[in-house]
Amino acid sequence: KNQVEQSPQSLIILEGKNCTLQCNYTVSPFSNLRWYKQDTGRGPVSLTIMTFSENTKSNGRYTATLDADTKQSSLHITASQLSDSASYICVVSFSNDMRFGAGTRLTVKP
Amino acid sequence: KAGVTQTPRYLIKTRGQQVTLSCSPISGHRSVSWYQQTPGQGLQFLFEYFSETQRNKGNFPGRFSGRQFSNSRSEMNVSTLELGDSALYLCASSLTGREFYNEQFFGPGTRLTVL
Repeated sequence: KNQVEQSPQSLIILEGKNCTLQCNYTVSPFSNLRWYKQDTGRGPVSLTIMTFSENTKSNGRYTATLDADTKQSSLHITASQLSDSASYICVVSFSNDMRFGAGTRLTVKP
Repeated sequence: KAGVTQTPRYLIKTRGQQVTLSCSPISGHRSVSWYQQTPGQGLQFLFEYFSETQRNKGNFPGRFSGRQFSNSRSEMNVSTLELGDSALYLCASSLTGREFYNEQFFGPGTRLTVL
């Protein structure tokens, strides 16, 4: 069954600290994987997109990695800021469809 | 370049009523997708329209329908509202489609509350 699972469900860190969010998928055949950031009450905004041949993609303090062999991706946030508080959603595309993870709710505290 | 706009932003309805939500994609984008987002289920795909034709459809009952106009603007309709339809409805536009490399741009959503 084509599924996307994210962990942890929620995370609280102190401002300035780093964190890593995980995304595991069973989707096949894989097309691409996207990470989105969604602020409360707003639509998701794309952070990174990776295809099968890419294993790292950065966007400022956000770095996504992809291991297509183990079907795992991670999103690493460096030197967190209060504005990083949001939900982070992993989306995997395959064939003519896509699957969304349930998201990780990140809270950055001062 | 203006982003994706959705109207209305908030809506309160009662069970049994129907509702129509509107989405204006980014200029030049021909694909519009609709999603339902709830705390328990996360983001779920409703349907996608491309050049006025429904191209893909998610696993939702027939009470959920949509259409796209020649200017790419899209509407979705929910008839006979149920309490479980309370959700954030998101619209996303892209150049050619949600399954390709092209990025999807999401609107701010319409928060629907069914009482």
